[in-house]
Amino acid sequence: TQLLEQSPQFLSIQEGENLTVYCNSSSVFSSLQWYRQEPGEGPVLLVTVVTGGEVKKLKRLTFQFGDARKDSSLHITAAQTGDTGLYLCAGVTGTASKLTFGTGTRLQVTL
Amino acid sequence: NAGVTQTPKFRVLKTGQSMTLLCAQDMNHEYMYWYRQDPGMGLRLIHYSVGEGTTAKGEVPDGYNVSRLKKQNFLLGLESAAPSQTSVYFCASSKTSGRANYEQYFGPGTRLTVT
Repeated sequence: TQLLEQSPQFLSIQEGENLTVYCNSSSVFSSLQWYRQEPGEGPVLLVTVVTGGEVKKLKRLTFQFGDARKDSSLHITAAQTGDTGLYLCAGVTGTASKLTFGTGTRLQVTL
Repeated sequence: NAGVTQTPKFRVLKTGQSMTLLCAQDMNHEYMYWYRQDPGMGLRLIHYSVGEGTTAKGEVPDGYNVSRLKKQNFLLGLESAAPSQTSVYFCASSKTSGRANYEQYFGPGTRLTVT
């Protein structure tokens, strides 16, 4: 079983602070996705990174895929209360777009 | 478009009872998936389907069965529910892709409690 470990598990910060979430595995993935999940809803895709070393920016969010395609990070600059949620990384494997999800990072941003 | 819908939203079962969870998508997607989400464990793949009439086992298939008789529907069955199957169940769908990098679209989930 491929495992994706995320750290930290929980993060409580104040608005305006910066944070980084890590996603690590011993397995290589063809690509890696980041999802955000709100309470009572399903996950929603934020980004897909495909190439080792790739960096993608989505407004205040910066995603990086490790050179060896085993790990990834999500950096949020100047967090806002609207960033609150559960962040999940997911490694893509196989020909059926199967996802192996990470353990999740629950982020709470307060005023 | 409604996207991915799941029925029911909540259900309480007694040990040994059976039930079927229904997932429907209106995006004409080929691939469909069933996951369960438990605290601290992310989402784990139960079964998936790459097209009408096909199903395959995922990471945690024991105790579950699935059927994909129509392209737009994917059913998850529990023949004899156990307390260990208490969880939130998510259905998802995606387009086919030669690079297998397409987004999965998730339903709102079904919260199942087995007592």
